[in-house]
Amino acid sequence: SYVLTQPPSVSVAPGKTARITCGGNNIGSKSVHWYQQKPGQAPVLVIYYDSDRPSGIPERFSGSNSGNTATLTISRVEAGDEADYYCQVWDSSSDHRGVFGGGTKLTVL
Amino acid sequence: EVQLVESGGGLIQPGGSLRLSCAASGFTVSSNYMSWVRQAPGKGLEWVSVIYSGGSTYYADSVKGRFTISRDNSKNTLYLQMNSLRAEDTAVYYCARGRGTMAYFDYWGQGTLVTVSS
Repeated sequence: SYVLTQPPSVSVAPGKTARITCGGNNIGSKSVHWYQQKPGQAPVLVIYYDSDRPSGIPERFSGSNSGNTATLTISRVEAGDEADYYCQVWDSSSDHRGVFGGGTKLTVL
Repeated sequence: EVQLVESGGGLIQPGGSLRLSCAASGFTVSSNYMSWVRQAPGKGLEWVSVIYSGGSTYYADSVKGRFTISRDNSKNTLYLQMNSLRAEDTAVYYCARGRGTMAYFDYWGQGTLVTVSS
């Protein structure tokens, strides 16, 4: 089955840029989606199809995907961005299933 | 406004059964594909199951043969029947609406907690 690998934690100072990676075999050939989850809350979609932003998500959130790594970039990080972030793909190669990365805890210093 | 409201969680003994419900409003469940995603305490998200608009269903290996996803079009409600429950099924269960050909989940419910323990 397809595996997505994320770093457990990323730390960044306010106003700086945070980059959260999601590794997978030839992930560049797949569409990657990203979710933000704050404690006690349901996940919220922040990026879909590698780099599209849903309405209401700040332009500070962006995404890219190439080769074996997809990246969620958060510019001008704010305290309110502190959360867990998950990447996700849909694997329909052999069986239809969703695949999530293990999640990355973003800490704003 | 799209809303998803889960219910049916609770404390259940190992080997028992439970049925979760997800009542949808603001869209038609049968015209979309819907998934269940769970999150064990302190852990990450785990995809559980999907039902497509055409009725096809798929499951994670960890629940295949024990869980059944279904929907009631007249009630605009999604279900997850969980049988032969194990301690490792303990989690918050979310229903989510899937979109696109390479599915992403644009709306999520608030989740319902299932605790499997004796």
